[in-house]
Amino acid sequence: DGGITQSPKYLFRKEGQNVTLSCEQNLNHDAMYWYRQDPGQGLRLIYYSQIVNDFQKGDIAEGYSVSREKKESFPLTVTSAQKNPTAFYLCASSIDGQIVNQPQHFGDGTRLSIL
Amino acid sequence: AQSVTQLDSHVSVSEGTPVLLRCNYSSSYSPSLFWYVQHPNKGLQLLLKYTSAATLVKGINGFEAEFKKSETSFHLTKPSAHMSDAAEYFCVVSDRGDYKLSFGAGTTVTVRA
Repeated sequence: DGGITQSPKYLFRKEGQNVTLSCEQNLNHDAMYWYRQDPGQGLRLIYYSQIVNDFQKGDIAEGYSVSREKKESFPLTVTSAQKNPTAFYLCASSIDGQIVNQPQHFGDGTRLSIL
Repeated sequence: AQSVTQLDSHVSVSEGTPVLLRCNYSSSYSPSLFWYVQHPNKGLQLLLKYTSAATLVKGINGFEAEFKKSETSFHLTKPSAHMSDAAEYFCVVSDRGDYKLSFGAGTTVTVRA
């Protein structure tokens, strides 16, 4: 079955540590996205990538970094500069990031907590 | 710029009764509108989408939504709630000027037996 796989499902970070969240898709989609979800706030866009080797900052990019070296992979690194990283992180993809009516497909998320 | 307001943070219904989730949007252009559902500790699943065709949109699991431009609304309904409908629901907008999605804060639905 085609879909988006996020790993790990749960992740714990120590103070001053960088952690990387994995996102892999086998849908052959061009565009990929990272969102942060906090209770009562909906989803906020961290970074997005419309094509391989290109990505743009979303609304809350500070303290995060990404890469897009392969079409199917879009890992997110939460750096020590992100002072409040505890949240549920969702990865999504869409066929073409420049077509406005394309729905996004979501993975099952990674829950990040601070030790 | 686009935005979405979900008018109810929590809705509680009895099994077998209708469900109504309210959503108002603002958009500078002709919007595309979506409803997604999220079960606990899961990703979001698309229920339905509006993209300027018919104003009454039918989705999965018996849900439907009506686009009303004059009221800038896109309310989600289901005639008869099932226990499996207990989840969080998000109204989402995207318009021609900005292909990014804007999410509402979500509505949590509780279904009583």
